[in-house]
Amino acid sequence: KAGVTQTPRYLIKTRGQQVTLSCSPISGHRSVSWYQQTPGQGLQFLFEYFSETQRNKGNFPGRFSGRQFSNSRSEMNVSTLELGDSALYLCASSRGTSGGEKLFFGSGTQLSVL
Amino acid sequence: AQKITQTQPGMFVQEKEAVTLDCTYDTSDPSYGLFWYKQPSSGEMIFLIYQGSYDQQNATEGRYSLNFQKARKSANLVISASQLGDSAMYFCAMRGSGAGSYQLTFGKGTKLSVIP
Repeated sequence: KAGVTQTPRYLIKTRGQQVTLSCSPISGHRSVSWYQQTPGQGLQFLFEYFSETQRNKGNFPGRFSGRQFSNSRSEMNVSTLELGDSALYLCASSRGTSGGEKLFFGSGTQLSVL
Repeated sequence: AQKITQTQPGMFVQEKEAVTLDCTYDTSDPSYGLFWYKQPSSGEMIFLIYQGSYDQQNATEGRYSLNFQKARKSANLVISASQLGDSAMYFCAMRGSGAGSYQLTFGKGTKLSVIP
């Protein structure tokens, strides 16, 4: 069974640009959630999608958005990039039906904003 | 609101020895789940072990066990017989059970270094 796949692995952008990150969940998983990891703030929840609907959202500005497609793949978009957006962005998938489920994470996308 | 506290920024352990990584939590949810993840330098978060708040017994998964003390709100991870490959960051996390509780709240992590 293939794991969670995130593309691209690395991205370099400049301030003001926008970026789109992609996440393909484990087959059969309908929930995809996104996390931002920085040395200063640690791991912070961005949002979670289940069956194409955003079910939960963290405390991030509107520049951060996402969507989920009918095949459960998800994309995350960050517009008007700022230096502080440099981070490892992790995607996780699960069945999405129980709070006790394991979340399976991808290897992340390392975003550097110059 | 949920909060996870990991008070050990870094730990060293001799190969083949056991080590305990501390985690305390705070939540107002009557039901919740506690997780431990390992993050090697590659970046991927690897699930290690899960403990439900109503589970009567401490969880175990191979060399990993979770020392769950509900009254003290602690969920320490015990790694037995440490191996060099155990060197990584370790994160404690929790999740509530109510509607909209599908997100994990993470602690700051503990960097474990296994010495040959």
